[in-house]
Amino acid sequence: EPEVTQTPSHQVTQMGQEVILRCVPISNHLYFYWYRQILGQKVEFLVSFYNNEISEKSEIFDDQFSVERPDGSNFTLKIRSTKLEDSAMYFCASSDLQGGTQYFGPGTRLTVL
Amino acid sequence: AQTVTQSQPEMSVQEAETVTLSCTYDTSESNYYLFWYKQPPSRQMILVIRQEAYKQQNATENRFSVNFQKAAKSFSLKISDSQLGDTAMYFCAFMTLLVQGGSEKLVFGKGTKLTVNP
Repeated sequence: EPEVTQTPSHQVTQMGQEVILRCVPISNHLYFYWYRQILGQKVEFLVSFYNNEISEKSEIFDDQFSVERPDGSNFTLKIRSTKLEDSAMYFCASSDLQGGTQYFGPGTRLTVL
Repeated sequence: AQTVTQSQPEMSVQEAETVTLSCTYDTSESNYYLFWYKQPPSRQMILVIRQEAYKQQNATENRFSVNFQKAAKSFSLKISDSQLGDTAMYFCAFMTLLVQGGSEKLVFGKGTKLTVNP
């Protein structure tokens, strides 16, 4: 069964450093998402991406964040200058059509020291 | 803005018994989808069940079923014959269906931690 994959599973970085979180969505999916979950809290939407552009972004997704689909398979989330409060689990998800079920990857745990 | 409320932070059930998790939501939209996702200790988000708002019939997926009350904006999850592997956080989620295309975000509740006891 196809699945969403994410790398790395755990990333530790120093405050102020740039990080890139990588996702490989399910191959025939067209809609891509990033969510985050601070430990013990609910899952929050960050950004959605369709047709090579951002469809919607939340207030959390400020100028420090960017997304890219550099090739036909990868979908990345970049945080330019990490802050302590960026420590969270970051989930990538994809769906094959509008309103389709979103399938989540296993997440990347980001720890900012 | 849509909101999703899960009023039970924690619940427990004995193995083989039935448990119901509650979820209410607030929206002015008429076309939307509702989901239950399971998050075991591994923290992977796993789809449990999905309900389209335009369908009157409650969705069922093996031991999992929902009670969807559209007028009351309620969407509860019933787990029958609970198994130890059902121990997890359960998140209720809402998605608006956009008329003009593009992608829709999921809005999650805070979750209910379910423990299945042997």
